[in-house]
Amino acid sequence: GNSVTQMEGPVTLSEEAFLTINCTYTATGYPSLFWYVQYPGEGLQLLLKATKADDKGSNKGFEATYRKETTSFHLEKGSVQVSDSAVYFCALRGRSIGNQFYFGTGTSLTVIP
Amino acid sequence: NAGVMQNPRHLVRRRGQEARLRCSPMKGHSHVYWYRQLPEEGLKFMVYLQKENIIDESGMPKERFSAEFPKEGPSILRIQQVVRGDSAAYFCASSPPGQGGEQYFGPGTRLTVT
Repeated sequence: GNSVTQMEGPVTLSEEAFLTINCTYTATGYPSLFWYVQYPGEGLQLLLKATKADDKGSNKGFEATYRKETTSFHLEKGSVQVSDSAVYFCALRGRSIGNQFYFGTGTSLTVIP
Repeated sequence: NAGVMQNPRHLVRRRGQEARLRCSPMKGHSHVYWYRQLPEEGLKFMVYLQKENIIDESGMPKERFSAEFPKEGPSILRIQQVVRGDSAAYFCASSPPGQGGEQYFGPGTRLTVT
């Protein structure tokens, strides 16, 4: 079956520090992979995605590369800002009918000035 | 083009009452998905609907929960005889027709059962 395992938080970093949030997955076939971000009191917003092996998704300074050999999709950012404080969810979507998402448990990030 | 709309944003119910959560998909989207987020957890898939059809309800609790997506009007997630354990955020997502459609999430309804 499909599942996502995500690095547990919470994570606290100083402004301009380097961020890595680990994500590994188990899937049948070749899923699409996503990172979503959730700000306090809000719904999920798509941060970036990758649809096939070796694709790199990027947005707002965040990057993640679809690694089929290690079944991973780690999120990275070179220099975090206070405004990046949020909960980050790794997710996969299978290619079967329905295309439901399977989410990780989320990693809470707090960036302090 | 308005995004996915959910209402109410916050809903308080006493144990034993019914909760009705509404989701209006984006214009042109005919697929609706409901997810539940329990405190400190990720989102869990509940049900996938197309107009007038339930396609996949493998994540729905067997009792008290039901969902519909009528030909006209919003999708409704209905929880009968709510219990404290139903307190959660319920998110709706929609996608256009076709297998490759991106899912867009609504802001969620936060249900509190007292």
